[in-house]
Amino acid sequence: EDQVTQSPEALRLQEGESSSLNCSYTVSGLRGLFWYRQDPGKGPEFLFTLYSAGEEKEKERLKATLTKKESFLHITAPKPEDSATYLCAVKASGSARQLTFGSGTQLTVLP
Amino acid sequence: DAGVIQSPRHEVTEMGQEVTLRCKPISGHDYLFWYRQTMMRGLELLIYFNNNVPIDDSGMPEDRFSAKMPNASFSTLKIQPSEPRDSAVYFCASRETGSSSYNEQFFGPGTRLTVL
Repeated sequence: EDQVTQSPEALRLQEGESSSLNCSYTVSGLRGLFWYRQDPGKGPEFLFTLYSAGEEKEKERLKATLTKKESFLHITAPKPEDSATYLCAVKASGSARQLTFGSGTQLTVLP
Repeated sequence: DAGVIQSPRHEVTEMGQEVTLRCKPISGHDYLFWYRQTMMRGLELLIYFNNNVPIDDSGMPEDRFSAKMPNASFSTLKIQPSEPRDSAVYFCASRETGSSSYNEQFFGPGTRLTVL
């Protein structure tokens, strides 16, 4: 069974204090790993897709990386507007099942 | 494009009542997904459709839950009878085959269901 574990559950940062969120996964053949951002009262918003170990994607202050066992979402010099819950999800090869989501990391960036 | 549209945004009902949640996917998208999100269990896939046909409903918790997609632009998730443990936020999402970002799903704003 596909499993996704995110850590930490919650993270509080000062504005400008860089950090990383972790997503560990267990799948029988990774087809893709996905990062989403979810603001309170809204649906998840797509950020990145990573397909193979060593791949990196960037968007503004966010950078996602992938290894064979985990993914990191690096946040450089965060701003208060980066506060949200960040969700990680995986898609396994040859599986009729679609995305399996982790429980998320709730990020708070203090001004 | 207006994105995925869900209605109602909030629903409060009493135990035993029938609840119907509605979703309009993004035009041209051939996959539609229904998710449930709770603090305890996170985001769970309930069922998904491809070209209006249910493909995997293994996430539907029990027979009280049913979903239909009568055409490419409309889907419903029905709970009958509803129970307090069904209280959650229900999301609908859609995607298109062969999109440049494989498996990128677009989520609606969700329906917050409270069963008293």
